[in-house]
Order: sequence, then structure tokens, then C-alpha cells
Amino acid sequence: AQRVTQPEKLLSVFKGAPVELKCNYSYSGSPELFWYVQYSRQRLQLLLRHISRESIKGFTADLNKGETSFHLKKPFAQEEDSAMYYCALRVGGGATNKLIFGTGTLLAVQP
Amino acid sequence: NAGVTQTPKFRVLKTGQSMTLLCAQDMNHEYMYWYRQDPGMGLRLIHYSVGEGTTAKGEVPDGYNVSRLKKQNFLLGLESAAPSQTSVYFCASTSGQGASEQYFGPGTRLTVT
Repeated sequence: AQRVTQPEKLLSVFKGAPVELKCNYSYSGSPELFWYVQYSRQRLQLLLRHISRESIKGFTADLNKGETSFHLKKPFAQEEDSAMYYCALRVGGGATNKLIFGTGTLLAVQP
Repeated sequence: NAGVTQTPKFRVLKTGQSMTLLCAQDMNHEYMYWYRQDPGMGLRLIHYSVGEGTTAKGEVPDGYNVSRLKKQNFLLGLESAAPSQTSVYFCASTSGQGASEQYFGPGTRLTVT
């Protein structure tokens, strides 16, 4: 079965603390994973994708095929990081570019 | 470029009424998608289209119909609205097979009473 699991509905941390948003996936093919972010009153936007191996706004995510995970990390949280974060798995390849989303984690960074 | 736009932004319907949500994109994208976003459920794919004149069912298609008569527009219809269709609806698009990033619209908040 194709599935994305984000076990935490809410993650609350203090400014300057490390952040780790968990994402696990289930997929029989070669996975392509993404993190999307939705700031308050804004539309969803791509934060990063695993194939780029990039760091965006200080966030990184490493694909661990052995643990079927794609956790999002940031060493020092900022208040402006407060948002809803969705992990997504691309399925169907280029023929459809469909995404399966997790249920999302709300990150709240306290001052 | 406006990107992906959605009309209307908000709507309240009574059970049994019908309506159409319009999604438009000015990026010449081939693929378009309709999602619904519900608390605790994340985003779920309703229908999608891989090109003008084509549509396909997603994860939760029941109670919805779609049409893609023009490449830039993707319409989502509710023929007989039900309270279970109260949700925030997002449209997204992507350029085609080689692309993977989806670009999202601002959303339509629909309440069915």
C-alpha cells in the first residue's frame, strides 16, 4: 500500500531549539519524497525535495530507505518557521505526477 | 504571472445545492489536480487531469465531477452538495512528466449546511 505517515499532529518547540518533523512512507517502487509547507493564510508551497539534497531556510531532509523515513530537520528553530508541514510521496511516476500527502504536522515555535 | 487562481474564495451552500469551483493557471501546465483538505486528514486527491480533455479519478472522487475543456482551466463540480463535502479545496498544477513540483492555488473554503 502507498502511504505517508506523519505521527505528530502538533510539535511545539522554543525558539533556538532543534526541530525534527517525522515522516515515514510505504511504497513498493523507488520513492520520491517532498516536504510542503503552508504558512498561516498562505497557499501550500514546496519546501524541499529529496532528490535535490538541498537546504532551504535551514531545513534539511534525508531519505533513509532502510527505515523508510524522510524526516525534516532544522538545528535552530525560528518563530517564522511556525506553519503546517506536509510530507508527500510521488506515485505513478511522470505519467500522472500524483502526490500522496501525510496528515500534516503543525509546528509552533514559541518565543 | 498570477500562477494558480481559484474562484470563489468562500462559499456557503445548502444541502442539495450545486456549484462549480474554477481553477485557472497561466503557466501553460499540462497536469492539474483538485484536493480537499480536512483536519486530521491532510490533503486528499479528488480528481486530476494530465491534459486538455482528459480527467481521472483520485482517492476521493465520489460526489464530484470535473472538466478540463481548456488547458488553463480545471473545473470541479458538486451536483448535490452534502455536509460531508464541507472542506477547503485546493487546486494544483505541474508542467508535465519531467516535473514534480506542484503549484497550489489559494484554496476555496466551502461550507455545506
